[in-house]
Amino acid sequence: YVLTQAPSVSVAPGQTARITCGGNNIGSKSVQWYQQKPGQAPVLVVDNDSGRPSGIPERFSGSNSGDTATLTISRVEAGDEADYYCQVWDFSDQYVFGAGTKVTVL
Amino acid sequence: VLVVQSGAEVKQPGDSLKISCQGSGYRFSNNWIGWVRQKPGKGLEWMGSIYPGDSETRYSPSFRGQVTISVDKSITIASLQWSSLKASDSAMYYCARQLDGDVGNAFDVWGQGTMVTVSS
Repeated sequence: YVLTQAPSVSVAPGQTARITCGGNNIGSKSVQWYQQKPGQAPVLVVDNDSGRPSGIPERFSGSNSGDTATLTISRVEAGDEADYYCQVWDFSDQYVFGAGTKVTVL
Repeated sequence: VLVVQSGAEVKQPGDSLKISCQGSGYRFSNNWIGWVRQKPGKGLEWMGSIYPGDSETRYSPSFRGQVTISVDKSITIASLQWSSLKASDSAMYYCARQLDGDVGNAFDVWGQGTMVTVSS
């Protein structure tokens, strides 16, 4: 199972960033999103398509339908600059990660 | 809730190695622990996961036979080991606790990572 992410997304401060994760019928799976800043371990920012773990700002939201899952970051801040990875548990009994999207805040 | 990993390692090709991951602040037996590899400048790769309660283990097809995942729940430590390292095993290795329930749940608490360098 393959998850497809755009390599990079650029967004101005205060605007909205949308990061997509494509996969065959991904809407039937539970999607997680992780944020990874340089030199740091990943952090879970969205769980089970749209759940927000404790401590994650409301600016982070997720959706999942059809062949595309989306992580939306509203009112982008400089501190949101990071790599973002989507993840699913495939029916072949394995986790799959997308290749990651680098978000640059202009 | 904390997940703390062992320190960086520098090894030679052919060496064996075991790195560890200690969980605390929660009921260790009740949550799967996963291992994730990240090569320099590259993305995340799931290697496998283990359930401390009964040591059930799942491996990624890419890593099955290449590494061994084990756990000692009496001391709340999960381990990842190699019997014969290769230069291509050089990477950062993360362990992470998985949310309660099934093996396919999210990784909600991550260790700080263990850097493994294999070089002659």
